[in-house]
Amino acid sequence: NAGVTQTPKFQVLKTGQSMTLQCAQDMNHNSMYWYRQDPGMGLRLIYYSASEGTTDKGEVPNGYNVSRLNKREFSLRLESAAPSQTSVYFCASSGQGNRELFFGEGSRLTVL
Amino acid sequence: GENVEQHPSTLSVQEGDSAVIKCTYSDSASNYFPWYKQELGKRPQLIIDIRSNVGEKKDQRIAVTLNKTAKHFSLHITETQPEDSAVYFCAASSSGTSYGKLTFGQGTILTVHP
Repeated sequence: NAGVTQTPKFQVLKTGQSMTLQCAQDMNHNSMYWYRQDPGMGLRLIYYSASEGTTDKGEVPNGYNVSRLNKREFSLRLESAAPSQTSVYFCASSGQGNRELFFGEGSRLTVL
Repeated sequence: GENVEQHPSTLSVQEGDSAVIKCTYSDSASNYFPWYKQELGKRPQLIIDIRSNVGEKKDQRIAVTLNKTAKHFSLHITETQPEDSAVYFCAASSSGTSYGKLTFGQGTILTVHP
């Protein structure tokens, strides 16, 4: 039982490059989320998927897109990376009727 | 939308002392208030949570209190130990659809000195 798995763990991009962060959970959770963590700003919600087939914007969605591929997988795409997107990205999931968020290990992204 | 303010940003205590972290929220519809602990280089993990119909909840050395009228809630850690050193985040949620849609505070770096 791996829980929530994110890839890659580290990535360096140049401004304008694109990339996709992958996330998968094996807990049969309905809801999945992408947060970014920046020093002094806590965790901010980028996008979330309440259930398979739905996605919604969070607090800071600009510059990102998401895909809920199936119940297990939720990917985050940066189409044209900017230095302001340098951050640690966390994927998380939660089960139906359960408020606890289970986080992945995080992906550290640096945009030069 | 919801706004959560957390204080202090850093807190340093001696082993055995108590630590208190405070948060305020803006949305009166918020009804769920979890606390997450994040050790250095690790993922955040839930340590305790409280719902709006409860004023206080305790789990061993940690407790959370909620004042809905004033819209603030606090984390209390007693008899602190070096392994309590971490970043602590409060959060609030008012979503009835997806409870993991949390708004987090800015975090408190707690350091417990042996």
